[in-house]
Amino acid sequence: DAKTTQPPSMDCAEGRAANLPCNHSTISGNEYVYWYRQIHSQGPQYIIHGLKNNETNEMASLIITEDRKSSTLILPHATLRDTAVYYCIVRVEGDMRFGAGTRLTVKP
Amino acid sequence: GAGVSQSPRYKVAKRGQDVALRCDPISGHVSLFWYQQALGQGPEFLTYFQNEAQLDKSGLPSDRFFAERPEGSVSTLKIQRTQQEDSAVYLCASSFFAGDTGELFFGEGSRLTVL
Repeated sequence: DAKTTQPPSMDCAEGRAANLPCNHSTISGNEYVYWYRQIHSQGPQYIIHGLKNNETNEMASLIITEDRKSSTLILPHATLRDTAVYYCIVRVEGDMRFGAGTRLTVKP
Repeated sequence: GAGVSQSPRYKVAKRGQDVALRCDPISGHVSLFWYQQALGQGPEFLTYFQNEAQLDKSGLPSDRFFAERPEGSVSTLKIQRTQQEDSAVYLCASSFFAGDTGELFFGEGSRLTVL
C-alpha cells in the first residue's frame, strides 16, 4: 500500500525537460519525498529527496507544492540514458516502500 | 569494493531446496534493507536492520523467509523449501544513517529462479 500515485508511463523527447508528477496527499509533516530510478536489470539509483523546500542537484530538480500533497521531478535535458522506471516514495520511519513507478521513455 | 555487493548474482533452485543470498553492504553503513522484485513490478519491502537488530520484518511473505545480520555488517537472506512464486530478484540496500533520512545504496540484486 504505497502512499504515492504516479502515472504508469510517460514519453519525453531527447533534449527536452522531463517532468514526472507524483501525488502524496496523505503525507505526514515529518516524511520526506524521495525519488529513485531503476534502469533495466540494475538496482534502483537514488536521485534526490526533499522535505518542504525545492531541491536541485546535478541530476534533477524536485519541486514540492506548498501543501506537500504533490511533487514533480524535473530532468532538465533528458537523454536516452534517462530511460528508466522512476519511483516516488514517501519515507516512513525505517523502511522505504516503492510503488509501481513511472516508466519514462526518452525518444530520439 | 565501494558499493553494495550481492552474491550469487544468479541462482537456480529446484522446488523445495533451501537457498541463501548474501549481501555485503557499504562499510560503516548502519541500515540494511532487503527487497523482493518480481518481473515487471516495483521492489517490495521485506525486512530492515539497524546494525544487528532486525527492526522490521513485516514484509517477509512467510515463515520460510529468514534474514540475519549477526555482526551488523554482512546479511544473509535465507529461503527454505523454495516455491515457484519465490522466483524474483532480491535486492539489498544499505544506508549510512538510521531513521528517516539518508539515501539508500542498492546492490545489483540476486536473481532467483525456482524450477
